[in-house]
Amino acid sequence: NAGVMQNPRHLVRRRGQEARLRCSPMKGHSHVYWYRQLPEEGLKFMVYLQKENIIDESGMPKERFSAEFPKEGPSILRIQQVVRGDSAAYFCASSPGADRGLPSGANVLTFGAGSRLTVL
Amino acid sequence: DQQVKQNSPSLSVQEGRISILNCDYTNSMFDYFLWYKKYPAEGPTFLISISSIKDKNEDGRFTVFLNKSAKHLSLHIVPSQPGDSAVYFCAASEPGNTPLVFGKGTRLSVIA
Repeated sequence: NAGVMQNPRHLVRRRGQEARLRCSPMKGHSHVYWYRQLPEEGLKFMVYLQKENIIDESGMPKERFSAEFPKEGPSILRIQQVVRGDSAAYFCASSPGADRGLPSGANVLTFGAGSRLTVL
Repeated sequence: DQQVKQNSPSLSVQEGRISILNCDYTNSMFDYFLWYKKYPAEGPTFLISISSIKDKNEDGRFTVFLNKSAKHLSLHIVPSQPGDSAVYFCAASEPGNTPLVFGKGTRLSVIA
């Protein structure tokens, strides 16, 4: 299966604990995007990374959230000291990058199945 | 400040009829528009896209229309099938590998 792999699929944390969500991009993809979907909301962009670089983190909350995409291994979205409002589905997506994917030029993102975080 | 808006949260259509999902945007810099489909407990999957230099793109039962002057696009599904029941997200991007901006989605129910 060469798709975008996310784990864990479900994560339960108590307030104040840390949550770590992992994402392995599709084979051949070097760009990773994290999105969050709150209940009854659309997908909100959080952060865009390439290997070892954060390209755009304009959607990341200023505190408690961080992301990385190391040279080796998956991308990780880390949430420290979780609060109930962090409960959401977190989706990772990847794209090939340079030529924007399709011959048509659209920046088509391939999404993983998501990680659902529940904060008690 | 929503740059991509889907004003209909839900839509019900009879099997075999046409489904029309609408999307409006405000950012004139958007040059590509995409539709994604999402089933419960799964990630969104890409459906169809259109460049800003076109006004129509067709792929089987799915057609996307773009009206740049009105900053409006629509997705037509014909004929609609029960398996099309899902949440449909409209998305847009500026030039480059910029992140996609999504609407809130429209839940389509196709009734047999």
